[in-house]
Amino acid sequence: AQKITQTQPGMFVQEKEAVTLDCTYDTSDPSYGLFWYKQPSSGEMIFLIYQGSYDQQNATEGRYSLNFQKARKSANLVISASQLGDSAMYFCAMCYGGATNKLIFGTGTLLAVQP
Amino acid sequence: DVKVTQSSRYLVKRTGEKVFLECVQDMDHENMFWYRQDPGLGLRLIYFSYDVKMKEKGDIPEGYSVSREKKERFSLILESASTNQTSMYLCASSRPGTGRTEAFFGQGTRLTVV
Repeated sequence: AQKITQTQPGMFVQEKEAVTLDCTYDTSDPSYGLFWYKQPSSGEMIFLIYQGSYDQQNATEGRYSLNFQKARKSANLVISASQLGDSAMYFCAMCYGGATNKLIFGTGTLLAVQP
Repeated sequence: DVKVTQSSRYLVKRTGEKVFLECVQDMDHENMFWYRQDPGLGLRLIYFSYDVKMKEKGDIPEGYSVSREKKERFSLILESASTNQTSMYLCASSRPGTGRTEAFFGQGTRLTVV
């Protein structure tokens, strides 16, 4: 069975600093995808970044990067130069079920960026 | 701009009522999903559909059913609403296939059952 674990219920970071949000996963499938989503207080889920299990390089999307350590089954999100608008809930998710693209989510980390 | 639209942002219903949550997407996606979000539990999959009239149960289907008569529309039905179904409901869609096939989400419906 697949599982996603986010052990940080909440975090603070100072504006302009970098922050790492932790995510570990468990699956027996050799092929899988890992996603990070941002959920602001308005409620919509915003896709941030994707990492495939066979990708050789860590994914990057602007200020977001994914620290993928396959042997440790971790996929931590790094946000560089935090901004006030980064304050939100962040979810790590793993895709399973082949082409049906079902997602299993972690419990989320609430990030608060302080000025 | 691609969109997944849920018919209501907020709903208040009485125990025992039949409740319909509607979701429409304009991206011609085959896959559509209904998730439920509760504090401390993250998002959990209720049902998903990979084609018109095709549906499969997710992790927590009890008390729910779904309908997909048209490709763009996926409805979640609470046959007899109960207070433990008070939650945030999120609809999503995605194209099929492997790789980067991110799901696009609606704005969510916060349902309160009293």
